[in-house]
Order: sequence, then structure tokens, then C-alpha cells
Amino acid sequence: ETGVTQSPTHLIKTRGQQVTLRCSSQSGHNTVSWYQQALGQGPQFIFQYYREEENGRGNFPPRFSGLQFPNYSSELNVNALELDDSALYLCASSWSRQETQYFGPGTRLLVL
Amino acid sequence: SQQGEEDPQALSIQEGENATMNCSYKTSINNLQWYRQNSGRGLVHLILIRSNEREKHSGRLRVTLDTSKKSSSLLITASRAADTASYFCATDEGTGTASKLTFGTGTRLQVTL
Repeated sequence: ETGVTQSPTHLIKTRGQQVTLRCSSQSGHNTVSWYQQALGQGPQFIFQYYREEENGRGNFPPRFSGLQFPNYSSELNVNALELDDSALYLCASSWSRQETQYFGPGTRLLVL
Repeated sequence: SQQGEEDPQALSIQEGENATMNCSYKTSINNLQWYRQNSGRGLVHLILIRSNEREKHSGRLRVTLDTSKKSSSLLITASRAADTASYFCATDEGTGTASKLTFGTGTRLQVTL
């Protein structure tokens, strides 16, 4: 157990809807990163939040957005869902200069 | 996009045998990390090797890094059924305040009794 929790564990949405995924980071960690993992692929970096500010973004469109709160928990929001957004969404927390990231169990999103 | 490829894509061995997985990447890196994932769940960090290191050990794990060839290998010795999982390498270019990992495509390891 890494101490990183994510909710919900599973989610089914229809195309065009919006979704919010949540992540609670490990105690003492001030950085949260989000990754998308399509079936049979490795995780792909979406974005990272450090002290409530976006601190880097991968190759994802603006309809993927996020927030980090003062307690360092985080949300991932996806608007106008597309079928290809179906994936496992992973968050990972770390301390700012720490190289190792600690992953949560993920949220599996299915878009119909 | 994925950083690179892992080889093989799938590996099936018997308990007690050694398992070797290879990872290639494309850009200059600060460090390379290996993670394990059981049944599509969260990833567990296994080992980190920095760009100025060539070999590292942790228990039954041995990792090598060849920055001239942009490649790494993970060796699991005396494998156990509990080692059955997907293994991913991830590179960190070391820019900014915290790691932003770029993952490979993964190797699915099956260890049978």
C-alpha cells in the first residue's frame, strides 16, 4: 500500500459527458501527477501539479484539466468525453525533489 | 507518446528460472526506473538507476543501464509465481521540480509452478 487513494474505482460514462476523478496523495507529498493507461499500453503522462500550480503537461488536449487543493489532494476533469478516453487513470504523489513516485490503485473509466 | 519499447512483450517461465526484460528509450535521461503492475492496478516502484550508474541490485532484482545504447535491462533471479505481473521501465528527463515519467510499453511476465 502506497497511501495514495483514488475514487471512484470504476466509472461508466457516455460520450460527450464530463467526469471528475479524485486522488488523495500520501501524507507529506506536495506533488501529484496524473497518467492515462490505455489497455495493453504503458501509462502516459497527462499533467503534474506542484503546490496547487500546474507544473508540466503531456500531449493531452485542453479538455483534460486538473486542480490541486491546499491539502495536496487533486482532481482530474475530462470534458466532452470520447470513446478513446476509456482507460485506467492513475495518480501518483511524491515530494517535490523526490524521484520515486507512489501510485494509487487507479480509476477505470469506460466511455460508451 | 511512449518513450520506447520493451522486449519481450510477453515472457513465460517456470518458477526458479531467471527472467530478463529489456527496455530501450529515445532521449537523454536523468534516471530510469522500473515499476511492476499487477492485473491492471496501480504501479509499484521496484528500483531506480541514475544516468551515471551502470548497475544496481535490490534483493532478487538486478538492473543495468547503458546510456550509450539508450537501453536498460531488468533481471529477476529465482522467479516466483508471485512475480507474475507486467513490468514497465520509465524514464525521467530530470527537468523541473519533480519527476515526470515516460513509460515503455511493458513486458507481461508469467511465472508458472
